[in-house]
Amino acid sequence: DGGITQSPKYLFRKEGQNVTLSCEQNLNHDAMYWYRQDPGQGLRLIYYSQIVNDFQKGDIAEGYSVSREKKESFPLTVTSAQKNPTAFYLCASSSPGQLTQETQYFGPGTRLLVL
Amino acid sequence: QQPVQSPQAVILREGEDAVINCSSSKALYSVHWYRQKHGEAPVFLMILLKGGEQKGHEKISASFNEKKQQSSLYLTASQLSYSGTYFCDLSIGDAGNNRKLIWGLGTSLAVNP
Repeated sequence: DGGITQSPKYLFRKEGQNVTLSCEQNLNHDAMYWYRQDPGQGLRLIYYSQIVNDFQKGDIAEGYSVSREKKESFPLTVTSAQKNPTAFYLCASSSPGQLTQETQYFGPGTRLLVL
Repeated sequence: QQPVQSPQAVILREGEDAVINCSSSKALYSVHWYRQKHGEAPVFLMILLKGGEQKGHEKISASFNEKKQQSSLYLTASQLSYSGTYFCDLSIGDAGNNRKLIWGLGTSLAVNP
């Protein structure tokens, strides 16, 4: 079955530590996205990538980094520069086209907690 | 620039109807509606394109008013499974590749027995 997977489901970060969240999709989608969601809030865009080896900053990119070396994979690194990383992180993908028009399909999410 | 969703929260009894609105200050190209249940990822409900017709999915339908730059989501004869937070995601721009996606802050819907 096609879909998006994220791992781990829960992640604990110590002070000053970089952590990487995994996102993999087998939907053959070109575009991938990372969002952050705080409790009771909406989705805020961190980074997005429309094609392999290219990505753009979203609204809250500071303290985060990404790579897009493969079409299927879009890992997100939360660096030590991100002082308040506790949140629910969602990865999504879409296939821009006339019919789908950027409809996004989401992975199950990763909850990041700071120790 | 962020779309305004209203109401912020609504509580229904099973079988009642609700309308959720999403308004933009910018010209819209398309509108997506998603539902997110507590602790889960958002799930796509439907998309409305500029110039398109009203869409429907079982007892959930939506409209897109280009002139008012607004979309409305209609939930009729609500079921317990409709509970969750509803988000609109607006595509602002033109028919080319120069579009931007902007999410609303969500409307929390609770359906009680």
